[in-house]
Amino acid sequence: GQNIDQPTEMTATEGAIVQINCTYQTSGFNGLFWYQQHAGEAPTFLSYNVLDGLEEKGRFSSFLSRSKGYSYLLLKELQMKDSASYLCAVRGSSLYSGAGSYQLTFGKGTKLSVIP
Amino acid sequence: NAGVTQTPKFRVLKTGQSMTLLCAQDMNHEYMYWYRQDPGMGLRLIHYSVGEGTTAKGEVPDGYNVSRLKKQNFLLGLESAAPSQTSVYFCASSTTSGGTAGELFFGEGSRLTVL
Repeated sequence: GQNIDQPTEMTATEGAIVQINCTYQTSGFNGLFWYQQHAGEAPTFLSYNVLDGLEEKGRFSSFLSRSKGYSYLLLKELQMKDSASYLCAVRGSSLYSGAGSYQLTFGKGTKLSVIP
Repeated sequence: NAGVTQTPKFRVLKTGQSMTLLCAQDMNHEYMYWYRQDPGMGLRLIHYSVGEGTTAKGEVPDGYNVSRLKKQNFLLGLESAAPSQTSVYFCASSTTSGGTAGELFFGEGSRLTVL
């Protein structure tokens, strides 16, 4: 099975930097995804990590440590439009080929509020 | 590009009624999924499909059935709706190739209320 933990809510100020943490415990690991979800909308892909280290993508960066079962999403120069939920999702490994290799298990999400 | 399209977007049912949610994708993706999202619970996988004619159970399959008669379509059925099935349902699809294989492309969601 898989267990994914992330904070329920966070608040940060416009223009600041915020780090959203995600810890996971899985029977296998084959990649970690971050998604952004605005209220009333579908999740959209933000980042993907499969090897240890930092992946940078504009104002957003994502970090992974497989040995620690830990990832974070870093948002810089926060804007009001960044107010959303951020979902951490882990892709487990499978002993067989098939959809099990590609299933994502999601954390409950972190609701980020950006204030002026 | 349409991507992933879900119909209907909203539906209100009475307990015991049946209905079908339709998901269509135009990206030629092999895999398709149905998730439900509830406050405080996150996204939970109901059923998924690895290809035309195949389906499998996810984390919360009870009370739902699915079919994938065509590669581009994935149907989610509720035979006898219950208030516990009040939720937002998301369809998603993914490819199996590339570095981000497994990246999900979501539909806009279908909000279902069971009275």
